[in-house]
Amino acid sequence: GDSVTQMEGPVTLSEEAFLTINCTYTATGYPSLFWYVQYPGEGLQLLLKATKADDKGSNKGFEATYRKETTSFHLEKGSVQVSDSAVYFCALSESTGNTPLVFGKGTRLSVIA
Amino acid sequence: SQTIHQWPATLVQPVGSPLSLECTVEGTSNPNLYWYRQAAGRGLQLLFYSVGIGQISSEVPQNLSASRPQDRQFILSSKKLLLSDSGFYLCAWSVKGGQGSTFGSGTRLTVV
Repeated sequence: GDSVTQMEGPVTLSEEAFLTINCTYTATGYPSLFWYVQYPGEGLQLLLKATKADDKGSNKGFEATYRKETTSFHLEKGSVQVSDSAVYFCALSESTGNTPLVFGKGTRLSVIA
Repeated sequence: SQTIHQWPATLVQPVGSPLSLECTVEGTSNPNLYWYRQAAGRGLQLLFYSVGIGQISSEVPQNLSASRPQDRQFILSSKKLLLSDSGFYLCAWSVKGGQGSTFGSGTRLTVV
């Protein structure tokens, strides 16, 4: 079945550091890919998405590019802030969109001033 | 616009007591609905999903059950809670054939 593997945390960075959270996937079809963010005590929020190969999703300074050749969707941000501290989940959705999202296990990011 | 409501936000229940968590979606029709659980410091576990009224798929056989009595209402229940049922419960919805899910704000359940 489909699966998502993301780097285990926690990741601790200083403010203004560069962030990369790796995500790779296994899927039989042509899935859509997502990054969700969960701030402490809250539900998940969609951060960005990409629906086909070579698409780049971006939001709030975060970016991720759908790489079909490496089956990856790594999350990047050039300069993190303390307010970016959260848990980040990579996920995929089959092309039909009628089955639940498949999530990675999440990566906790802590940014220190 | 579409909104999702989930309540209560927090709940403390004794072992052996019943549970009922409710989730409703507004501004859309015939959504796919989902219940997830997140144990402390852990990832997301899909519990149930529904593609229509009365249609429930169970991903994890436990002492939990789900029902969808109305198109935009999804209820998570238990007859007798266990300590291991403690966690953060999240409801989510998506459109048919849609791209991604929208999550509610969650219910933090502590079984004591």
